[in-house]
Amino acid sequence: AQSVTQLDSQVPVFEEAPVELRCNYSSSVSVYLFWYVQYPNQGLQLLLKYLSGSTLVKGINGFEAEFNKSQTSFHLRKPSVHISDTAEYFCAVSEQAGTALIFGKGTTLSVSS
Amino acid sequence: KAGVTQTPRYLIKTRGQQVTLSCSPISGHRSVSWYQQTPGQGLQFLFEYFSETQRNKGNFPGRFSGRQFSNSRSEMNVSTLELGDSALYLCASSPSGTGGAGELFFGEGSRLTVL
Repeated sequence: AQSVTQLDSQVPVFEEAPVELRCNYSSSVSVYLFWYVQYPNQGLQLLLKYLSGSTLVKGINGFEAEFNKSQTSFHLRKPSVHISDTAEYFCAVSEQAGTALIFGKGTTLSVSS
Repeated sequence: KAGVTQTPRYLIKTRGQQVTLSCSPISGHRSVSWYQQTPGQGLQFLFEYFSETQRNKGNFPGRFSGRQFSNSRSEMNVSTLELGDSALYLCASSPSGTGGAGELFFGEGSRLTVL
């Protein structure tokens, strides 16, 4: 069965610093990988997704993620964060259509000045 | 294009009561999925409906049920509420369904508090 582990529950950083949010997944088949963001009192919004092809995926708001099949990882990065990036970030994995999208437990990114 | 709309946004119930939550998907989307979000367990998949049929179900007791109407609107019901059912219930719609390569579009959720 597929599963997702987000290695850090909270990541505090200063504004303009780089950040990496780590995600590892477990699956016996090929997967599709996603990062979603949830701002306070809102639903989830897609940041980026890996379906196939280039292992470096660029998303919205300057975020990017790299798919590493050998390490079963899909870490999210941003070279310089802003206060407005403060939110909860979820890594998710899915297999074939018709199966559930499985989420990690989330990482709270707190950006301070 | 209007997004996913969930009603009510907030509600308070007492143990033993039942609750019905509603979700209107994005126009043209035939799939509606429901997730329960709690601080301890994170986002857990409840079920998915596609063209009025339940296509997938998570590991929740039978007190949790849902349905989808011909206009793709969906409702979920929780009967005999327990304190542990307090959570944010998120609805997500998509054109083709959950799983695979498709993106889910989420509503803002219905926050249920059980006293």
